[in-house]
Amino acid sequence: AQTVTQSQPEMSVQEAETVTLSCTYDTSESDYYLFWYKQPPSRQMILVIRQEAYKQQNATENRFSVNFQKAAKSFSLKISDSQLGDAAMYFCAYCNNAGNMLTFGGGTRLMVKP
Amino acid sequence: NAGVTQTPKFQVLKTGQSMTLQCAQDMNHNSMYWYRQDPGMGLRLIYYSASEGTTDKGEVPNGYNVSRLNKREFSLRLESAAPSQTSVYFCASSGNQDRGPNYGYTFGSGTRLTVV
Repeated sequence: AQTVTQSQPEMSVQEAETVTLSCTYDTSESDYYLFWYKQPPSRQMILVIRQEAYKQQNATENRFSVNFQKAAKSFSLKISDSQLGDAAMYFCAYCNNAGNMLTFGGGTRLMVKP
Repeated sequence: NAGVTQTPKFQVLKTGQSMTLQCAQDMNHNSMYWYRQDPGMGLRLIYYSASEGTTDKGEVPNGYNVSRLNKREFSLRLESAAPSQTSVYFCASSGNQDRGPNYGYTFGSGTRLTVV
């Protein structure tokens, strides 16, 4: 079974600064997908960014980018120019190639200081 | 608005009572899922339905049953609620003719269930 580990229970960042959230995963598959989801206090799960394992190029979405290291099984999220609205729980997730099993890490709580 | 709709949003049950959580999606997705989220933890998969007419167990299926009523609806039933089932429950869906299920899941807003 795949496992996803987020080793930082909490992180804080100053508004307008950059922060990196860590994620590692374990799998024996070669094709898979990785995601970062944001969960604000509203409880809604919001897809932030997606990475296909067969692509070497790191995904980017506006201020959000990832550092995908397939050999190291590492998938970190970088948030640039942090905003107060970025404060939330962030979950790293692994999806198998068939798409029928999305496995989540334990989450990182991000606090943004004004 | 298009998306995943869950009802109810909050529920309190007594131990031993039964209830059904309802979920519907209007994105023509083929696959639907039920997750639970316990305090300080990520989401864990209870059951999923890869397509209409099929259901499969996830990581934590004990104490639950599901029904894929049609392509749009996927319900989760607790036959005899226990305090250990106190959690937030999320329904999700993914995959249609344009995008496969591994493109990303769309989640409902969750149901907070307390069993006393």
